[in-house]
Amino acid sequence: DIVMTQSPDSLAVSLGERATINCKSSRSVLYNSDNKNYLAWYQQKPGQPPKLLIYWASMRGSGVPDRFSGSGSGTDFTLTISSLQAEDVAVYYCQQYYSTPRTFGQGTKVEIK
Amino acid sequence: EVQLVESGGGLVQPGGSLRLSCAASGFGFSGYWMSWVRQAPGKGLEWVANIRQDGRENWYVDSVKGRFTISRDNADNSLFLQMKSLRVEDTAVYYCTRIGTGGEFDYWGQGTLVTVSS
Repeated sequence: DIVMTQSPDSLAVSLGERATINCKSSRSVLYNSDNKNYLAWYQQKPGQPPKLLIYWASMRGSGVPDRFSGSGSGTDFTLTISSLQAEDVAVYYCQQYYSTPRTFGQGTKVEIK
Repeated sequence: EVQLVESGGGLVQPGGSLRLSCAASGFGFSGYWMSWVRQAPGKGLEWVANIRQDGRENWYVDSVKGRFTISRDNADNSLFLQMKSLRVEDTAVYYCTRIGTGGEFDYWGQGTLVTVSS
C-alpha cells in the first residue's frame, strides 16, 4: 500500500497570508506512460463532506478559486493557499489514485491565527 | 447538477448487517466508476470500495473484504453497499463518491452514519 504522510498536522495562518501543506507518498505516484501524477487534494469544512480541490497534482477542480494551487511530482507534493480567507478554515487531505487501495493522508487542519 | 444522496445508515449491533444506498442524479451514472469512502468519528478518510461502470469489476480495502459487497443498478441510477458481520470499528460516516475520468473522487454525497454498538 502507498502511505501518504502530510505535514504539518495543523497550522495557523493570518488572514491574507500564505498557507502551505506538504504531502509525501511512500512510492512515486507519477505514471510514466502519461507523465501524470495521480494525486488529489480535498478540502473538508466542519460538518461537510470533502470537496475536490486539485487533481493530477496541479489541476484545479470545478469552481475552485485560483488562490488554491498544487505542485510537486513523484513523491513530494504541496498545496498552497496564496492568501488565506476565513472560508478556507478546514481540514485538507491529499490522496493517491495511482494504485489500489486508494489512500489518503492523515489530514492537515488549517486555522486562522 | 451532480447529486449523490445516501441512505440506509443507522444503529446496528456487532455482527449485524446493513445495506446502504446512494441515489445519483445530474450525470450519466452508467458512464462512471463509483466508490464508497468512510470517515470514523473525528478521524480521517478511508477508501472502502470501487465498482466499474458495468458492475463487473470491484475492489475493496482489505479490512472489509468478504464482509462488504458493492453493487449498482444502472437502470435506477443507484449504488449500494451491503455490509455484513459488522464490527465496532466499522462505525463511520459513509460517503458515496463519483470517480472522475482520472480516478479522483470528484463528487461526494453528504454521507450516512453507521453506528455499530451493543
